[in-house]
This record gives sequence, C-alpha cells and structure tokens, in this order.
Amino acid sequence: GEDVEQSLFLSVREGDSSVINCTYTDSSSTYLYWYKQEPGAGLQLLTYIFSNMDMKQDQRLTVLLNKKDKHLSLRIADTQTGDSAIYFCADVEGNTPLVFGKGTRLSVIA
Amino acid sequence: GAVVSQHPSRVICKSGTSVKIECRSLDFQATTMFWYRQFPKKSLMLMATSNEGSKATYEQGVEKDKFLINHASLTLSTLTVTSAHPEDSSFYICSAREQSGRGTQYFGPGTRLLVL
Repeated sequence: GEDVEQSLFLSVREGDSSVINCTYTDSSSTYLYWYKQEPGAGLQLLTYIFSNMDMKQDQRLTVLLNKKDKHLSLRIADTQTGDSAIYFCADVEGNTPLVFGKGTRLSVIA
Repeated sequence: GAVVSQHPSRVICKSGTSVKIECRSLDFQATTMFWYRQFPKKSLMLMATSNEGSKATYEQGVEKDKFLINHASLTLSTLTVTSAHPEDSSFYICSAREQSGRGTQYFGPGTRLLVL
C-alpha cells in the first residue's frame, strides 16, 4: 500500500531555517499536505500543494515538490520557539483518506 | 479557515461504560468524516471513514461493534466507544472533508479518553 516516510526528529536554533523532508510512494497523489500538531492538540493544516506544482510559498513556509523523486519538503524560515511541534506530511488521491507519515518532531532551541 | 470541533475534549470513565464523542464541522458541510486514534508519540491511525447517511467503513482490525459511528448529518458525526476498557484509552481525533473545492481534510482538536 501507499507509504509516506519522514525523519522523526529535527533540532534547529531560533532564527535558523528548518527543512522537514518527506517521501511518498503513490504516483497518483493529487494533493500533498503539511499539518502541524502541538502537544495535546489536533492537527492544524499549514499548507498544501497540488501535485502539478513544484513550489509554493506562504509567508515563512516554502513547500517544494519533486514529483519525479516523490519527495516533498517544508522549509520554515526564521524558525521561532512557537514552531516547536510535530509536523506531518500527508498525501491523498481523489476521495481516499489521507495517508500520513509518522511525523517529524521539530525542537527549536532558543 | 474551516473549523472542526470535538466534544468532549477530555473524558474519564469507568471500565464497562460507553462514551460518545461528537465531531462537528462548524462552517462547512462535510460529506465524509474520518475518525483517527493516536497513541503517545505515534502517528494517526485511521479507524473508520463515515459518509453522511450511510454505514461507516472500518479499517482492518477495528471492531465496528466496539466503535459505533453515526454520521447523521452533513455537519455531525459521533463515535461511541462501547463497554470501554483501559486499553481503549487514547487520543481520538476526527476529521471532516469539505464537500466542495479541493476536499481538504480539517481536523478537530481531539478527545483524550482515559478508561479506569
């Protein structure tokens, strides 16, 4: 079945950029998403990219999609302590449920 | 943006009792809602997909008689954990897919269930 992989941990200093990577296997994905989960909370939709795009920028967030390599990344510029959370990438094809990665725990060091 | 609410946010119950969790899409209609379970420091595990007006589709290994799902309207789905046991203690998160546009899934804030 479809598989989405992420590295589990990332630690950065406040003010630096963070890059969270994700790989997926389904070449039929239509949309790819990034969600943020803070402790004890649900998932907050951060951004998404349509599969025929290769880049999307939204304020401090930049999403890069390499469809050939099935690689998705999320770059957070000027990372702040409030960005500490777990970040999930997910992909979807049509009306099927989202397939999630295991999540990347981002720790921001002041 | 689209908002999904869950109630209650936290519940403690005795073993053997049943617990109902509500999931509502507040400002959009959701033909499809999803129920997830999340163990500590783990990813989300899809339990079931519910479509308004029809029976839910359960993932392999999820007992449909234990986790009753009702999706009576385009804005409300409920999950009832029947005869709860301590091993049912978990964080339950619902998600609603918007009916129009991209069909993005929006998530509720989650319900933490503790069964004593």
